[in-house]
Amino acid sequence: QTVVTQEPSLTVSPGGTVILTCASSTGAVTRGYYPNWFQQKPGQAPRALIYSTDNRHSWTPARFSGSLLGGKAALTLSGVQPEDEAEYFCLLSSAGDQLVFGGGTRLTVL
Amino acid sequence: EVQLVESGGGAVQPGGSLRLSCVASGFPFSSHWMHWVRQVPGKGPVWVSRVNGDGSSTNYADSVKGRFAISRDNIKNTLYLQMNSLRAEDTAVYYCARDLTGGSGHHFVFWGQGTLVTVSS
Repeated sequence: QTVVTQEPSLTVSPGGTVILTCASSTGAVTRGYYPNWFQQKPGQAPRALIYSTDNRHSWTPARFSGSLLGGKAALTLSGVQPEDEAEYFCLLSSAGDQLVFGGGTRLTVL
Repeated sequence: EVQLVESGGGAVQPGGSLRLSCVASGFPFSSHWMHWVRQVPGKGPVWVSRVNGDGSSTNYADSVKGRFAISRDNIKNTLYLQMNSLRAEDTAVYYCARDLTGGSGHHFVFWGQGTLVTVSS
């Protein structure tokens, strides 16, 4: 069973930059894992931000970008806004037919 | 506008069954992979199952394999999840989600608002 690991929590100042990462227990994350990123605020369903590593949805602000970094999937937030305070989840397609979410990163903007 | 509306949740005893429904609108339903995802409040989401556009290909998380069945009715634009032999650990909010247009079952683009399933004696 693949385990996907994210930083439990990160803190960033308004206007700053922060990188969230997503690692797989099976090894280096590649484009073949189709990394997705989601934002979730309390009481709401998750909202899709990034798909297939580095593609933004039409509603995703340009300050969010996806990439591969050091064998992990990464979500970079540049010029962080107060409204970016939320939980962020990554999703990887593991070998075979399973899709696995990470445990989430709670981002605090302070 | 894409809309996904889940229903069918509720309280059930361990060992019982429920069928969830998700009515879709605003897009060509039969052309899209669809998913079920669940989330315990305060925890991360967990993928449950997916089905391709014509219903011929399905996959399940190991934790529900053999107990849950995903299906779809492309005439009614409705996705289903039949849940049998329910356990306490199946308690969660269940979301349906739509894949990318032209996607291959690896993405969740649009999500419904969820329906709560509680398994307890």
